[in-house]
Amino acid sequence: TAGITQAPTSQILAAGRSMTLRCTQDMRHNAMYWYRQDLGLGLRLIHYSNTAGTTGKGEVPDGYSVSRANTDDFPLTLASAVPSQTSVYFCASSDTTSGGQFFGPGTRLTVL
Amino acid sequence: GQNIDQPTEMTATEGAIVQINCTYQTSGFNGLFWYQQHAGEAPTFLSYNVLDGLEEKGRFSSFLSRSKGYSYLLLKELQMKDSASYLCAASDSNYQLIWGAGTKLIIKP
Repeated sequence: TAGITQAPTSQILAAGRSMTLRCTQDMRHNAMYWYRQDLGLGLRLIHYSNTAGTTGKGEVPDGYSVSRANTDDFPLTLASAVPSQTSVYFCASSDTTSGGQFFGPGTRLTVL
Repeated sequence: GQNIDQPTEMTATEGAIVQINCTYQTSGFNGLFWYQQHAGEAPTFLSYNVLDGLEEKGRFSSFLSRSKGYSYLLLKELQMKDSASYLCAASDSNYQLIWGAGTKLIIKP
């Protein structure tokens, strides 16, 4: 079982460009999450989805959008990247909203 | 506001015991999670406490006091591979996880 996969592993992006970070899980988990992790700040929730067809905003949603067309996929889009979006991005999923979250390997994004 | 506090860094000796503390303030509470994160890797789930008391799982134990807003992770018989960051996270009334910044644990031979 693959669990959660993320793509790409890393990316260097010019400021102003758009990009979609992909996340796919094969555990049939209902809930999925996108976090960013910056040194000294811990994990911060960007967007979440409790079930397919619904999404919600987390702590730091500005500049990001998500969609949840089906159970398995939860892409994160940066419409116009800025240097402050340089970070490591983790996708996670859980089988219930109260359950422990399982994380993907992360995407390291650098915006220049 | 919602807040999680844990020490930034701790050092311990191989074979010893270390306790990592975490205090939390959340709007509602639905449990306390501990995760381990090795450098350059994703966090992995270690433990979950929702009731007061100690949960033991091999060399790792986790304790919760809901009345004090306090938890700790206890690591016994430390091994070099335990060198990692340990993340404390509390689940709030909406079942969102509020994360601490993590405690970097350094194990010395």
